[in-house]
Amino acid sequence: AQSVTQLGSHVSVSEGALVLLRCNYSSSVPPYLFWYVQYPNQGLQLLLKYTSAATLVKGINGFEAEFKKSETSFHLTKPSAHMSDAAEYFCAVSDKREYGNKLVFGAGTILRVKS
Amino acid sequence: NAGVTQTPKFQVLKTGQSMTLQCAQDMNHNSMYWYRQDPGMGLRLIYYSASEGTTDKGEVPNGYNVSRLNKREFSLRLESAAPSQTSVYFCASSKGGPPYNEQFFGPGTRLTVL
Repeated sequence: AQSVTQLGSHVSVSEGALVLLRCNYSSSVPPYLFWYVQYPNQGLQLLLKYTSAATLVKGINGFEAEFKKSETSFHLTKPSAHMSDAAEYFCAVSDKREYGNKLVFGAGTILRVKS
Repeated sequence: NAGVTQTPKFQVLKTGQSMTLQCAQDMNHNSMYWYRQDPGMGLRLIYYSASEGTTDKGEVPNGYNVSRLNKREFSLRLESAAPSQTSVYFCASSKGGPPYNEQFFGPGTRLTVL
């Protein structure tokens, strides 16, 4: 069965600093990978996704993620944090072999941005 | 387009009461999903419907039932609520087909069971 591990339940950065949120997956076949963001009291919104077309994926709001098969990782980065980036971020995987387009989510990382 | 809508937004139940959470999407999506979100556990899939007329269990189906009423609507029923079902419930929908198609989420229902 697939699983997703997000290292660090809370990450704190200063405004303008690099954001790095870590995600590692466990799957015998490279899956499709997603990053979602959840702002307080809202639903989840897609930031970006990896579909095997390119290993470096650019998303909304200046975020990007790089798929590294050798490290089974899909870390999310942003060069310069903004106060509006404060939210909870979820990494998720979808197994291309499975029926139903189901997602398996990581536990989430809460990003705090300090002024 | 409203996207994915959920009702109610908030609900408080007593142990043993029943209720139905409603979900509708206006994107002509084939697949729909119910998740629960608990602190430190991410989102866990309760049930899903890959297409109209089908439903399947997810990771945590016990204590829940679902109905895919038509292509637009997918409801989640708690027959006898328990405090362990206190959670935030999210409905999502997807085009279906290739598994790289993303899911779109509703705003959630906050349920408290006393």
